Amino acid sequence: DTEVTQTPKHLVMGMTNKKSLKCEQHMGHRAMYWYKQKAKKPPELMFVYSYEKLSINESVPSRFSPECPNSSLLNLHLHALQPEDSALYLCASSQVSIGKSSYNEQFFGPGTRLTVL
Amino acid sequence: AQSVTQPDIHITVSEGASLELRCNYSYGATPYLFWYVQSPGQGLQLLLKYFSGDTLVQGIKGFEAEFKRSQSSFNLRKPSVHWSDAAEYFCAVGAWAAGNKLTFGGGTRVLVKP
Repeated sequence: DTEVTQTPKHLVMGMTNKKSLKCEQHMGHRAMYWYKQKAKKPPELMFVYSYEKLSINESVPSRFSPECPNSSLLNLHLHALQPEDSALYLCASSQVSIGKSSYNEQFFGPGTRLTVL
Repeated sequence: AQSVTQPDIHITVSEGASLELRCNYSYGATPYLFWYVQSPGQGLQLLLKYFSGDTLVQGIKGFEAEFKRSQSSFNLRKPSVHWSDAAEYFCAVGAWAAGNKLTFGGGTRVLVKP
């Protein structure tokens, strides 16, 4: 299985709602990533998990709360979002780099398109 | 820190004509380079990647890219464009020294004229 799956495909939420995005992979990857992509812009890294521990937080507002309950699952919990948070949220996974000059390709899911009203 | 520049924001090409998209990167170590394509409303699809070895890389959908270390470039080419190639194209550099980060260029939107 070489897929990264994301649910839901589309999500519409109000600013007072609480919702979650889900990402799953069964490739045995131990690094997982969340990206945010605004329209006509490149993806921007939000969070990186390595061995189920948060290793990078790119100064993301606390209304976004990531969670990695096990090595196959990655969640992004959303609360009190703003309309400007509307975007495509992409999940990716990779092997963990264990040595110098060792970059591991990231595999991307199809994304969740989020609209905040 | 690593960076990627795609100088062309938009490119319009006639169907059947050749296409070249430019990408320049900045990274102090061995670069790992990627080209992705994204159709409207869709996720990212990997076209090709360069890790080492032959500097001319073949990808899917008839695309190829050439790595030129002396010019810090990784340009994407296709000899004959199809209408279905209209999309956004992103060049990216992978940085193992920065937590396996992937840094994207700003993207080039390709429009195909009939």
